[in-house]
Amino acid sequence: EVKLLESGGGLVQPGGSLRLSCAASGFTFGSHAMTWVRQVPGKGLEWISGIIRGSGGSTFYIDSVKGRFTISRDNSKNTLYLQMNSLRVEDTAVYYCAKDAYDSGPFDSWGPGTLVTVSS
Amino acid sequence: SYEVSQPPSVSVAPGQTARITCGGNNIGSKSVHWYQQKPGQAPVLVVYDDRDRPSGIPERFSGSNSGNTAALTITRVEAGDEADYYCQVWDNSGDHLYVFGLGTKVTVL
Repeated sequence: EVKLLESGGGLVQPGGSLRLSCAASGFTFGSHAMTWVRQVPGKGLEWISGIIRGSGGSTFYIDSVKGRFTISRDNSKNTLYLQMNSLRVEDTAVYYCAKDAYDSGPFDSWGPGTLVTVSS
Repeated sequence: SYEVSQPPSVSVAPGQTARITCGGNNIGSKSVHWYQQKPGQAPVLVVYDDRDRPSGIPERFSGSNSGNTAALTITRVEAGDEADYYCQVWDNSGDHLYVFGLGTKVTVL
């Protein structure tokens, strides 16, 4: 059974940093692209970042997080990361990690999410 | 960048059929995926590649895609189908490689 579990969310002040982790099990982690999707409470889903399978040599971001967020993976630990710096109030959301089935979607497994609140 | 549009809400009586649309320019040329999200829970993939169902998803869920409209159809709707439904496509024309619709709230009357 595929399992994904995010951790690392919490309350942080504007300008602060957080690192999210996503522990994966039940599949060959290194063989799949992985992604982060966020959801502002009460709003829709927004894809924010992805990393290709294997060594993760290619990464992708939406413009609003480019230069502030860094996605990475450690295949030896079956873990996906999202380093978030220079956080803004508008980054407040539930952050989900998801497994990409075929490199261009769909996202066939999701974690339960972790809430990031950016507030002073 | 590519955009998709969904109706904000659809209401349906139990046992009837709900149809949720996802509109986009020539969306028929793309693969469309559909997710169900219940309150407080993570999304769940219910249809992928326009019309395929992951294992464990009831046959009541089906998809179609042609021209400028993709659709998710739920037949014999049950109370447990009440949820938000999101369509998704992959598009590399903008910074959002994976584009989600804004979601459709399905209410079972």
